[in-house]
Amino acid sequence: DGGITQSPKYLFRKEGQNVTLSCEQNLNHDAMYWYRQDPGQGLRLIYYSQIVNDFQKGDIAEGYSVSREKKESFPLTVTSAQKNPTAFYLCASSAALLSYEQYFGPGTRLTVT
Amino acid sequence: EDKVVQSPLSLVVHEGDTVTLNCSYEVTNFRSLLWYKQEKKAPTFLFMLTSSGIEKKSGRLSSILDKKELFSILNITATQTGDSAVYLCAVEGYGQNFVFGPGTRLSVLP
Repeated sequence: DGGITQSPKYLFRKEGQNVTLSCEQNLNHDAMYWYRQDPGQGLRLIYYSQIVNDFQKGDIAEGYSVSREKKESFPLTVTSAQKNPTAFYLCASSAALLSYEQYFGPGTRLTVT
Repeated sequence: EDKVVQSPLSLVVHEGDTVTLNCSYEVTNFRSLLWYKQEKKAPTFLFMLTSSGIEKKSGRLSSILDKKELFSILNITATQTGDSAVYLCAVEGYGQNFVFGPGTRLSVLP
């Protein structure tokens, strides 16, 4: 079955530690995205990638970093510079960057204490 | 397991028609339900619903939540071609986790 996987579903870290969230897709999609979802707010775009070895900052990229070494994978690192890292993180992919058919992963809930 | 189901998955209408999109859910410790319009890169936030029976309205769009029957509807009246998009429903549940539905793809023809 084609789809997007994110792991783990729940992640706990101590303040000051970097943490990497995994996102893998087997849909052969070129574009991938990372969003952050906080209660009472809309989805906010952190980073996106149109193609391997290329990525762009979204609206709230500060304190985050990404890599796109393989088409299937788009890991997100939440660094210690991110002031409010506790959130629900959602990964998505689409066949093309401007396609409105994005497929979403199940999400990872990160809690930093 | 928590889940969100949207129907229909795809819909084609003509300009001026009224459409109703459905979202049903089974989520532990429901907190809120969100509707988004998916275009281009990032989804656009439409509504957040927390209370049953209170309609939220924005222009030609409106939405209501039924917490007893565990569903929400999104209505769009007098549709325009610019309404063509994927409409996503998401539910916030236990531990501030969110579950997203598969989306309804709406195509509005001139």
